[in-house]
Amino acid sequence: AQSVTQPDIHITVSEGASLELRCNYSYGATPYLFWYVQSPGQGLQLLLKYFSGDTLVQGIKGFEAEFKRSQSSFNLRKPSVHWSDAAEYFCAVLKGNKLVFGAGTILRVKS
Amino acid sequence: DAEITQSPRHKITETGRQVTLACHQTWNHNNMFWYRQDLGHGLRLIHYSYGVQDTNKGEVSDGYSVSRSNTEDLPLTLESAASSQTSVYFCASSENGGAGELFFGEGSRLTVL
Repeated sequence: AQSVTQPDIHITVSEGASLELRCNYSYGATPYLFWYVQSPGQGLQLLLKYFSGDTLVQGIKGFEAEFKRSQSSFNLRKPSVHWSDAAEYFCAVLKGNKLVFGAGTILRVKS
Repeated sequence: DAEITQSPRHKITETGRQVTLACHQTWNHNNMFWYRQDLGHGLRLIHYSYGVQDTNKGEVSDGYSVSRSNTEDLPLTLESAASSQTSVYFCASSENGGAGELFFGEGSRLTVL
């Protein structure tokens, strides 16, 4: 069975600092992977997705993620965090037509 | 613009009462999903539908039911609300071949006392 693990429940970074959110997956085939962001009181919004091809994918809001098959990882990165990036971030893997989500990582940005 | 709306956004009810959460999408998507969000668990799938008259159980379906009589709506019913069902509920939709991209509503916060 496939699953998604996000090891960090909370992360705090300073505004302007770089960010990396970790995601590990367990899947028996080539995974379709996603990162979603949830701002407070809102639904989830797709940041980026990986299906195949280039292992470094670009998303919205300056985010990128790198698929590493050898490490079963799909970590999300941003070179310089803005206060508006404070939110909860979810990694997910596609199972059929359904998404299986990780538990989420809450990002706090300090000024 | 197409959208997905949930109602009510907030509801407080008592144990044992029946509750229905509405979900309406104007994307004309075939696929619709209900998730619940709880701290430490992320989003867990309750029920889903791939089209009219189609419904399927997700990983946490006990105590919940859905029906799909048209493309736009997938109401979620709690037959007899329990305190363990206090949660935030999200409805989402996707198109066939949409490769997993879900469009989410803004959520319904349910409190069962």
